[in-house]
Amino acid sequence: GENVEQHPSTLSVQEGDSAVIKCTYSDSASNYFPWYKQELGKGPQLIIDIRSNVGEKKDQRIAVTLNKTAKHFSLHITETQPEDSAVYFCAAAIHSGSARQLTFGSGTQLTVLP
Amino acid sequence: SQTIHQWPATLVQPVGSPLSLECTVEGTSNPNLYWYRQAAGRGLQLLFYSVGIGQISSEVPQNLSASRPQDRQFILSSKKLLLSDSGFYLCAWSVQIGGLATKFANTGELFFGEGSRLTVL
Repeated sequence: GENVEQHPSTLSVQEGDSAVIKCTYSDSASNYFPWYKQELGKGPQLIIDIRSNVGEKKDQRIAVTLNKTAKHFSLHITETQPEDSAVYFCAAAIHSGSARQLTFGSGTQLTVLP
Repeated sequence: SQTIHQWPATLVQPVGSPLSLECTVEGTSNPNLYWYRQAAGRGLQLLFYSVGIGQISSEVPQNLSASRPQDRQFILSSKKLLLSDSGFYLCAWSVQIGGLATKFANTGELFFGEGSRLTVL
């Protein structure tokens, strides 16, 4: 089955700096890569996703890049703000319509220091 | 709009006692439903998923069971809790691919509940 590894497990940055979280996956058939943000005491929420036919996707201050050859993808947050502090999860899936969807990484606790 | 409710939010139970966590979804029909467990530093582990009433798939062998008595209701249970069952449990739903023709039909997005913190003592 799919295996997703995520690094780092914790990340602290100064407000205004950039943050990068990296993930690798094992199944070359995976074609859907979402990122979820989990604020304290809440369930995760999707913030951005990318499909294997795209190399990069941006949404305001966040961007995701995908390298299919190397089987890794990354989340980039620019101009970080204190409200970006949360746990971030990457995930991978073969989007075939099966209900058995996502394999998640182990999460990254991002702390943005004011 | 679609909403997901999960309760109780926190629960402290003695070892050997039973467990029942409930989850309901509103505003959608025939969703896929999921139970995840979140352990510190170990990400989100899928426990069960369901594509329809009475249809439950288990991902990992464990002390827990799940049931789906109604289309939008998903229940996580245990007859006798173990210390190792402590954790943060998350219910989630997604649109069945090929089902509702909504903007979510092709994203595979999971919508999570607020979670239930279970402490077994």
